[in-house]
Amino acid sequence: EVQLVESGGGLVQPGGSLRLSCAASGFTFSYYHMTWVRQAPGKGLEWVSYITDSSDTIYYADSVKGRFTISRDNAKNSLYLQMNSLRAEDTAVYYCARVISRRFDPWGQGTLVTISS
Amino acid sequence: SVLTQPPSVSGTPGQRVTISCSGSSSNIGRNTANWYQHLPGTAPKVLIYSDGQRPSGVPDRFSGSKSGTSASLAISGLQSEDEADYYCAAWDDSLNGWVFGGGTKLTVL
Repeated sequence: EVQLVESGGGLVQPGGSLRLSCAASGFTFSYYHMTWVRQAPGKGLEWVSYITDSSDTIYYADSVKGRFTISRDNAKNSLYLQMNSLRAEDTAVYYCARVISRRFDPWGQGTLVTISS
Repeated sequence: SVLTQPPSVSGTPGQRVTISCSGSSSNIGRNTANWYQHLPGTAPKVLIYSDGQRPSGVPDRFSGSKSGTSASLAISGLQSEDEADYYCAAWDDSLNGWVFGGGTKLTVL
């Protein structure tokens, strides 16, 4: 069964940092591009970042560019999101998802990140 | 949101409802649209991809179409379990990233 499990969320003060992880199983992780999507409380889905299978191409949403860094370790079947200079507006549930022909399938259950003093 | 959806739609069991998604030449006009179903507290799930394709396991009550810079999701034979939030999404060539609609809450009366 294809499965994605996010971890690393929590409560952080504004200006702080957090590293999210996404553990993949049930498929050959190194063959697939991956992405992060978030949902702020009461808001819709917002795409955050994308990384190709070999990490040679990376994209970020303007709202996180320069603050967030996406990476992956194909040997560990894991995707990461390093989040620095966190702001209140970064509070959200963060989902990782596999990318297949520009669609996201499947998604993980998400991990909650709360930015508050 | 870059893609525009109605905030809410509603219908009674057995009815057919449609959800629109309006974009531009840099996203839906040039790239395929996908639709996701999201129930609170669960992982979003792809319902329709490449404008009108259904993944295996998605009932044929769900269908998608596209015309120009707009896409539509139709749900026929509405069921109570269809109550969820629905999002359209597409790659945007100008932004070099994906864009989502604001989401449409479907209520089954």
